[in-house]
This record gives sequence, structure tokens and C-alpha cells, in this order.
Amino acid sequence: KAGVTQTPRYLIKTRGQQVTLSCSPISGHRSVSWYQQTPGQGLQFLFEYFSETQRNKGNFPGRFSGRQFSNSRSEMNVSTLELGDSALYLCASSPSGGALFHRTDTQYFGPGTRLTVL
Amino acid sequence: QKEVEQDPGPLSVPEGAIVSLNCTYSNSAFQYFMWYRQYSRKGPELLMYTYSSGNKEDGRFTAQVDKSSKYISLFIRDSQPSDSATYLCAMGEPDGSSNTGKLIFGQGTTLQVKP
Repeated sequence: KAGVTQTPRYLIKTRGQQVTLSCSPISGHRSVSWYQQTPGQGLQFLFEYFSETQRNKGNFPGRFSGRQFSNSRSEMNVSTLELGDSALYLCASSPSGGALFHRTDTQYFGPGTRLTVL
Repeated sequence: QKEVEQDPGPLSVPEGAIVSLNCTYSNSAFQYFMWYRQYSRKGPELLMYTYSSGNKEDGRFTAQVDKSSKYISLFIRDSQPSDSATYLCAMGEPDGSSNTGKLIFGQGTTLQVKP
């Protein structure tokens, strides 16, 4: 079974631009979560989507948004990029939303998209 | 104060040593406890999963959860150079809570096992 895939793997943008990152979950997985990873703050939860609905959201500004499509693929968008948005953005998928943290329903991570803002 | 605290290290040990990694947390609602391993330039991969309190063993890895102390540990026996990675603890609240679907991670501890 193919794992979680994320595209692109690397991105370089300048301040003020916007960016869209894509995540394809493991086949059959319906829940997709996004995380930001930086050396200073570690891994921080951005948001989680299940069945095309945002079910939970972390403490990030409104410049960070996301969506999920009917095939469970997800995208996240960051508008008006700031230098501090430079990070590794990780996507994680899990089979279902009903029992998210049971052993068979834990989150599996993709390799991430490395975003650099200049 | 962060919800989950983890010493970032780095931690350097000789091959064959027993490694102890720890996290403390403040949110008593956490019920699910996980350890992830992350190699350089890769996404985290799930190592151990524990529900509520107790111990869990998987090969050379043992996870312990002490909810009364709000403290979790990961032990690695007979450590190998291939264990060199960053280890992240993660925690979640039960189904139906307002934070369903949200994992809180520790900062991660960088481990180096020297041959």
C-alpha cells in the first residue's frame, strides 16, 4: 500500500506570496491532518479534515487555510507569506475519524514539504 | 508552559547502551500516548502506542505511561547506530472531546548512537 504523498517536496517563495501544498492520504484513509514543524516550536497542529469538513483547528492565523476533496486528498494554503512561515509542513492520514486514536487508526505521516520564505 | 515538555538533547550514547527518553505533560485529558521516530529529511513514523497507563513492549522498545505523574518514557535496549534519529512523544484526547483529531507533540529528542 502506498504511503502518504506530499507535493511539492521543496518550495522557495518570497514574502507576501501565497503557496498551496498538496497531500494524498493512504488509500482508504478519510482523515487528513496538517502540522508545521520548525526547530524552535517543534511539531504544531494546524488543522484536521474528515469527509471534506474541517473538524479541528490549531492556533494559527487565518492566513493558513485548508480543504479536503471528495477523494480525501487535501490541500493547505498559506497567503501573504512571512519569513516565520519557513518550515517543514507535514501531512498525516488516518483511516477514519470516529475512533482516531485507536491503535489501528493512528496517524501516518508523509515526508513533508520544505517551505523556505525569503 | 507548553502542554508537553521534552528535553531536546542531543543525547549521545555508545552502541549497546540502554536509552531512556521522557516527556512530561500538563493536560490530564490526554488518554493516548505515542512515540514517533523521525530520521533526517523524513516524516515521523509511529514507533509505540499506548492507551491510558501502563507498559508496552515491542522488541527492543518499551513505552511506559504514568498518568498519576503525567510522565511517559521510551526505553531502547541494546541501542544501534540505526536508532540515531529524533524521537517525538505525542498525545491525544479521547474520541468525542473538542480536540478529537489533534495530536500534541513534544519538542523531540535527538539521539545519536555511536558505534
